[in-house]
Amino acid sequence: DAGVIQSPRHEVTEMGQEVTLRCKPISGHNSLFWYRQTMMRGLELLIYFNNNVPIDDSGMPEDRFSAKMPNASFSTLKIQPSEPRDSAVYFCASSPTTSLLGRGYTFGSGTRLTVV
Amino acid sequence: QKEVEQDPGPLSVPEGAIVSLNCTYSNSAFQYFMWYRQYSRKGPELLMYTYSSGNKEDGRFTAQVDKSSKYISLFIRDSQPSDSATYLCAMISANQAGTALIFGKGTTLSVSS
Repeated sequence: DAGVIQSPRHEVTEMGQEVTLRCKPISGHNSLFWYRQTMMRGLELLIYFNNNVPIDDSGMPEDRFSAKMPNASFSTLKIQPSEPRDSAVYFCASSPTTSLLGRGYTFGSGTRLTVV
Repeated sequence: QKEVEQDPGPLSVPEGAIVSLNCTYSNSAFQYFMWYRQYSRKGPELLMYTYSSGNKEDGRFTAQVDKSSKYISLFIRDSQPSDSATYLCAMISANQAGTALIFGKGTTLSVSS
């Protein structure tokens, strides 16, 4: 089991550019979550999917943020246009729909985004 | 007020000390409580979980939940330098699809040898 795979690990981009973060969940996990982590705000839920369907996107900060899950093995988080305040570590996590307890969410290693 | 409050620290202790980490929350619907450990430049990993009120022990770690006070704790006995990490509490109202964990900001712990 390769775990949750995120790419890229690091991304430095200029303000105004489009940024796409990618996530491959663990095979068989039906729920996928995108979180953002900063020193000031901690780990914030942006959006989550269940069986590829977005369930709650109320944490998405602005219309500049969008997320898709075209199939069970892939999700993207896109920021267009990017701004310096979007600089953060973005985590993807997955979990089985059932049996949450005991295993919780499995997190990827994160994408460290810097917008200059 | 955020749903989950956690003192970010940092907390520095000598090796062998007993460590107490705490969170308070405001949503009385939370029923499942977890602690995650996050090493530098890594994703959080599940450390312990509890359901409703009570204690749970796993080796050197003990998790406590007091729902009447909306207060949860994680105790680490005989702390080791390898315990140096950020500890995040997390909670959820139901164990089902359509809900998501809400995290505290995390407490950074440093254990010196």
